[in-house]
Amino acid sequence: SQTIHQWPATLVQPVGSPLSLECTVEGTSNPNLYWYRQAAGRGLQLLFYSVGIGQISSEVPQNLSASRPQDRQFILSSKKLLLSDSGFYLCAWGSGTGELFFGEGSRLTVL
Amino acid sequence: GQQLNQSPQSMFIQEGEDVSMNCTSSSIFNTWLWYKQDPGEGPVLLIALYKAGELTSNGRLTAQFGITRKDSFLNISASIPSDVGIYFCAGGTSYGKLTFGQGTILTVHP
Repeated sequence: SQTIHQWPATLVQPVGSPLSLECTVEGTSNPNLYWYRQAAGRGLQLLFYSVGIGQISSEVPQNLSASRPQDRQFILSSKKLLLSDSGFYLCAWGSGTGELFFGEGSRLTVL
Repeated sequence: GQQLNQSPQSMFIQEGEDVSMNCTSSSIFNTWLWYKQDPGEGPVLLIALYKAGELTSNGRLTAQFGITRKDSFLNISASIPSDVGIYFCAGGTSYGKLTFGQGTILTVHP
């Protein structure tokens, strides 16, 4: 069966520091991968999606970037964090049928 | 961009009552999905709908894909305390991208 994991689960970082959140998927090949951000426990906003290695599409302009160095690995990064980057970040995978399956989430607090 | 209007924003009900929530959009979606999220966790898929007019059940949950492809509803029958959480609708387009509603916070009193 397919599983998705992301880490770290929680992160407290100072303003201006770098960020790296990692997500991996097991049990499937060539998945579509997504990064979403959720603010204050409400709606999810799509940040990036990838349909293959090295292929990244950005949905909103921001201080973050994404990379997909391997088929089942998706990384969310920032060179210098802003206070507004705080939130709950969710990685998800899909096979293109329309259903997305989410990881456990990573809570980022920027101080 | 596409937006989903999900209502109600919150519900406070007694155990055993039925629940209904819905989502509407000005845009057409290829798929409609309903998720439940517990605090501090990722959303879990409850029901996926693929055809306009489709009515699908999953235990006590029933959801429908609106005939215009611009809306969907979710019903929960005979609510129980573990139904507590945030419920999200999501509309799907190309590349499997989902647009999410703002969520319905459900509280169930025993």
